[in-house]
Amino acid sequence: GAVVSQHPSRVICKSGTSVKIECRSLDFQATTMFWYRQFPKQSLMLMATSNEGSKATYEQGVEKDKFLINHASLTLSTLTVTSAHPEDSSFYICSATSGGRSGANVLTFGAGSRLTVL
Amino acid sequence: GQNIDQPTEMTATEGAIVQINCTYQTSGFNGLFWYQQHAGEAPTFLSYNVLDGLEEKGRFSSFLSRSKGYSYLLLKELQMKDSASYLCAAMDSNYQLIWGAGTKLIIKP
Repeated sequence: GAVVSQHPSRVICKSGTSVKIECRSLDFQATTMFWYRQFPKQSLMLMATSNEGSKATYEQGVEKDKFLINHASLTLSTLTVTSAHPEDSSFYICSATSGGRSGANVLTFGAGSRLTVL
Repeated sequence: GQNIDQPTEMTATEGAIVQINCTYQTSGFNGLFWYQQHAGEAPTFLSYNVLDGLEEKGRFSSFLSRSKGYSYLLLKELQMKDSASYLCAAMDSNYQLIWGAGTKLIIKP
């Protein structure tokens, strides 16, 4: 089946530094990738949708200058948390779909990245 | 507005059956998904319903009634490993997923 690799799985950084999280589709071409954030005991919150070769579409309230998303190829999307602060500590999850505007398209999730900002 | 409702937490006994309900309100509808998420892990796909009726897949079944905006996930022969959160998500007319907050299922021996 489809596999999405996400790393790092855990990262601890100092306040003010930037952190990059990678999301790769290993055995399929992901025309669309999604980035979510999940706080403890809460549901997934969609941050942005990225399509290969175009700018990401950010959800309301998500700062595009703080959460930089690059979807440079059909198998790779990156999320960079710039100037991270303790309130950015969260579980970040990517998901990918092979595309087509079909309801039957199933999202395949990466394993998630737990970010802790000290 | 768009909304998904599902119970926050449920408790069941090992070997028993449990039904997790989900009601949804979306702008248009392109299907209903159920995902399982163990603590600290990413969600994994369980089922997709777009037509009314029951879809059975091993110990797990999912039901959809579009007229009622209602779905349920049925888990049979519960095992301890089924302890997890179960997320209901509806896809709207723009093919965007609207996520519920998840139902934490606790299995007791």
